[in-house]
Amino acid sequence: TQLLEQSPQFLSIQEGENLTVYCNSSSVFSSLQWYRQEPGEGPVLLVTVVTGGEVKKLKRLTFQFGDARKDSSLHITAAQPGDTGLYLCAGAWGAQKLVFGQGTRLTINP
Amino acid sequence: ETGVTQTPRHLVMGMTNKKSLKCEQHLGHNAMYWYKQSAKKPLELMFVYNFKEQTENNSVPSRFSPECPNSSHLFLHLHTLQPEDSALYLCASSQDKGSAGGEETQYFGPGTRLLVL
Repeated sequence: TQLLEQSPQFLSIQEGENLTVYCNSSSVFSSLQWYRQEPGEGPVLLVTVVTGGEVKKLKRLTFQFGDARKDSSLHITAAQPGDTGLYLCAGAWGAQKLVFGQGTRLTINP
Repeated sequence: ETGVTQTPRHLVMGMTNKKSLKCEQHLGHNAMYWYKQSAKKPLELMFVYNFKEQTENNSVPSRFSPECPNSSHLFLHLHTLQPEDSALYLCASSQDKGSAGGEETQYFGPGTRLLVL
């Protein structure tokens, strides 16, 4: 059974600080996706990383896929209150099969 | 607005009731999914439909019965549910790339918040 461990589960920081969220597994994934979910909404895809060691940037967000394609990280620089939300990582391990981490609930305080 | 709509957005039902959740996608996709999101568990895949055919049933209890009349609509029929079935039920859709392979992006609806009393 594929499992994804996300850490931390909760994070509350001040505006302007930097943070990193981790997603780890003992399984290899063909790709890894990061989603953001706001209250009352479904998850919205932020990025997909496919190649081991790949780094993708989305404004102040930097996503990295581990060399062995078992882990990933999301780094946010100079966090803003608008970054508040639930961040989910999901590993793809077969056709149309995603396994999700339990999520990181991020709160950015003004 | 992701192009996937779900109704109702909120539902309260007793354990003896029968209700249905509806999902509609306006993206021209050919694959649709039901997920369950509980407070204390990761998002769990329940069912997958490709071209209206069920291709995945992730050991879901029979009190949940999916129906996919066409590629744009997906239902989840509920009967004799238990309080532990209370959760956010999310529908998603994607474009199955078949033999061409490649990564598929799943687009999620806003979910139905279900409370079973």
